[in-house]
Amino acid sequence: DVKVTQSSRYLVKRTGEKVFLECVQDMDHENMFWYRQDPGLGLRLIYFSYDVKMKEKGDIPEGYSVSREKKERFSLILESASTNQTSMYLCASSPGGGNHGNTIYFGEGSWLTVV
Amino acid sequence: GEDVEQSLFLSVREGDSSVINCTYTDSSSTYLYWYKQEPGAGLQLLTYIFSNMDMKQDQRLTVLLNKKDKHLSLRIADTQTGDSAIYFCAESDLNTPLVFGKGTRLSVIA
Repeated sequence: DVKVTQSSRYLVKRTGEKVFLECVQDMDHENMFWYRQDPGLGLRLIYFSYDVKMKEKGDIPEGYSVSREKKERFSLILESASTNQTSMYLCASSPGGGNHGNTIYFGEGSWLTVV
Repeated sequence: GEDVEQSLFLSVREGDSSVINCTYTDSSSTYLYWYKQEPGAGLQLLTYIFSNMDMKQDQRLTVLLNKKDKHLSLRIADTQTGDSAIYFCAESDLNTPLVFGKGTRLSVIA
């Protein structure tokens, strides 16, 4: 089974802290994605990557950056956390060759609270 | 940009049918999807439909697509308490990441 693992399920951080959210997939997928999920707003794409060391901005990249040094790992970085970044963050991965939704796999989510 | 709209809440009685509706704007959508999210979990693909189809049935699930009106629906027959979840509609043109709707929270009353 494909597994997308988000190492931290629940985090509480202080305003201004640097926060790292880690995501690892074990199926040699080329594509990886970070979404945030908020009630009434659904899933919004923050950043995505189609290859190692490659990244592209999604719909809401402001306040975030990402790192993809290895194929299996895609990190989301909040340089200076703010309270409006309190949310649930979902990582996903899929094979290369197109964005077909029947081959995308999601992690279980990381709940981040910024106080 | 592309947009996917769906109502936020739906409440049904156990044993009734549920119908969750979705509209989308991207005329180049190739595939349309329904995902289910249970509490505390990520999204799981329920079913999907190719844009040149108008209906797909999979056990208790029926997907209807009206491409002219850009309207997609998911019907769950004989709804059970285990169907309580958030359901996301999504679309893809295969070239760009999936675009998701805001999610419909289905509550099943016993």
